[in-house]
Amino acid sequence: DTGVSQNPRHKITKRGQNVTFRCDPISEHNRLYWYRQTLGQGPEFLTYFQNEAQLEKSRLLSDRFSAERPKGSFSTLEIQRTEQGDSAMYLCASNPSGGSTDTQYFGPGTRLTVL
Amino acid sequence: AQSVTQPDIHITVSEGASLELRCNYSYGATPYLFWYVQSPGQGLQLLLKYFSGDTLVQGIKGFEAEFKRSQSSFNLRKPSVHWSDAAEYFCAVEPPGRRALTFGSGTRLQVQP
Repeated sequence: DTGVSQNPRHKITKRGQNVTFRCDPISEHNRLYWYRQTLGQGPEFLTYFQNEAQLEKSRLLSDRFSAERPKGSFSTLEIQRTEQGDSAMYLCASNPSGGSTDTQYFGPGTRLTVL
Repeated sequence: AQSVTQPDIHITVSEGASLELRCNYSYGATPYLFWYVQSPGQGLQLLLKYFSGDTLVQGIKGFEAEFKRSQSSFNLRKPSVHWSDAAEYFCAVEPPGRRALTFGSGTRLQVQP
């Protein structure tokens, strides 16, 4: 399978714990995006990378959230001191940077439940 | 305010009937426009996209969408719905000058036999 992959697919944690999610984009896609989707809503943009550079962050990305893409390939999204409001599906997407018309390809997501 | 609106939260149609899902956007310039479908447990799959040119866009699975600048709309259509089309449908825009997508809140499609 050469699509975007995300791990884990499901994560249950207790409030106050830290969690980390991983996203592996499609090979040679140098743009990578993170979105959050809560129940009954469309995905909301969190942040995006071009290669290893984090170029844009949403106001939704509080200081408890941090994302990295150290070698310009896979990315991690960490949430520190999780809160129940962090329960959501976290989606990753990627596309090449050949132009502004490139479609974003989405992974299956990581569903986070904070108890 | 800049936004994407999908006025219908939930739509039920009979199998074989036609379908139209509405999407309106509010941006100063025409953004790039997309329709995605999300089935339970599945990722978002692109159905079609509009960047420029012909305002009637053909997509996968027999879907099409028409861009109407005067109405700031990008409605999704299918002439004959199949039971497998039951899913959540999201309209999305890439605002001018940005890379991130802004999504509508989605329309859940139910298909009756």
